[in-house]
Parts: sequence; structure tokens; C-alpha cells
Amino acid sequence: DAGVTQSPTHLIKTRGQQVTLRCSPKSGHDTVSWYQQALGQGPQFIFQYYEEEERQRGNFPDRFSGHQFPNYSSELNVNALLLGDSALYLCASRVGGSGVTQYFGPGTRLLVL
Amino acid sequence: AQRVTQPEKLLSVFKGAPVELKCNYSYSGSPELFWYVQYSRQRLQLLLRHISRESIKGFTADLNKGETSFHLKKPFAQEEDSAMYYCALRDFGNEKLTFGTGTRLTIIP
Repeated sequence: DAGVTQSPTHLIKTRGQQVTLRCSPKSGHDTVSWYQQALGQGPQFIFQYYEEEERQRGNFPDRFSGHQFPNYSSELNVNALLLGDSALYLCASRVGGSGVTQYFGPGTRLLVL
Repeated sequence: AQRVTQPEKLLSVFKGAPVELKCNYSYSGSPELFWYVQYSRQRLQLLLRHISRESIKGFTADLNKGETSFHLKKPFAQEEDSAMYYCALRDFGNEKLTFGTGTRLTIIP
């Protein structure tokens, strides 16, 4: 089991563009969360998906949206990119239910020029 | 609003010396506290959680609700402990993990 996988590993975009990041959860996991980690900061919670629905959302604008597919994989979409969106985007997965460990992926590094 | 503070961005400790990574939090509910670690070129992974009250790789952390702290300790540092450490908080029944800004621990041989 490769664990949580994310693609692409790196991405360069320009202001105003749109980007889609992808995440495949660890085998057997059905819940996916997305985090943004700016340089020198800890990860910040964007949102969580379970049963193909957004279950909880952090303090991020509507430009950030997501999707979960029937196979539990997930996408993070960011529209109208800003320079401040440059960050490492982390995906974490776990089995549904409370109090269970989340497993993080390696992240996608997004640079907005 | 919940907040996690890690006052030290960098911490250097000699091999064999005790280690203490500080974490303070502000939250009015019943938080669940975690320590995550990221070794060089590896992904973020859970080190320990306060509910488990266990020792992982020689590290322990005790939740002090009076001082709102969850400091990470190890009596004798090892070179392989060099890594980035993040303290995180989650409300019971909630998904959102709130992370501190992290402490980079370097063990000096």
C-alpha cells in the first residue's frame, strides 16, 4: 500500500488561473481532508469530504472547492489564483468515524506567479 | 477561536541531553491534542496523541489543562530525533486539526 498519494508533485500557475489537485486515499480509507501549508507555517484545514459530500470547512473562500468520487479519491480546485495561494497542499485520509488517525500524503507544491 | 502556539521555531540539543518542545493552546471546549513529526524528505505523520497516554520513540507528552499546555519530552535525545515537530489540536467530534507553526529540532552529535 503506497499510502496517500497526491498528484502532481509540483505545479506552477499564473495569477487568475485555475488549478486542480488530486488525492488518492490510503487503501480502506473513505474520508479525505485537505490542508494548505504556507512557507514557515503549520498546515491549515481547508475542508473534509466523506460520502462524496463536504462535511466540514475551514476559513477559506469559495474559490476553494472540492469533490470526492465514489472510489473515495478527491480533488481540490482553486479558481482565480492569487499569489498568496502559493503553498504546499496536503491531503489526509482516514477511516470514517471519530478519534481515528489521519494519514498525510506527500503534498503538492503550488507556485503562483 | 482555537489556537496552538509553539514558541520555539528552532531548537538545538546535544545528543543524550533531555528534549522539551513546548506547546500551548487556547480553546474553551474539550480538545484532543496531538504531536505530528516530519522527518527529512518524509511526509507528516502522527507521533502521539494525549488520549493514548503512550510513549512513542521515547517521547511522552502530558496534557496540562490548568496551564493549557501539551509539551513534548524525551529524556535522552538521539540523532534520529532531528525533524520538524508540530503540535495540533482538535475538538472532540470535529474534523478540523489546528496546527502550530512547528519547531525544527536539531540534535547535535
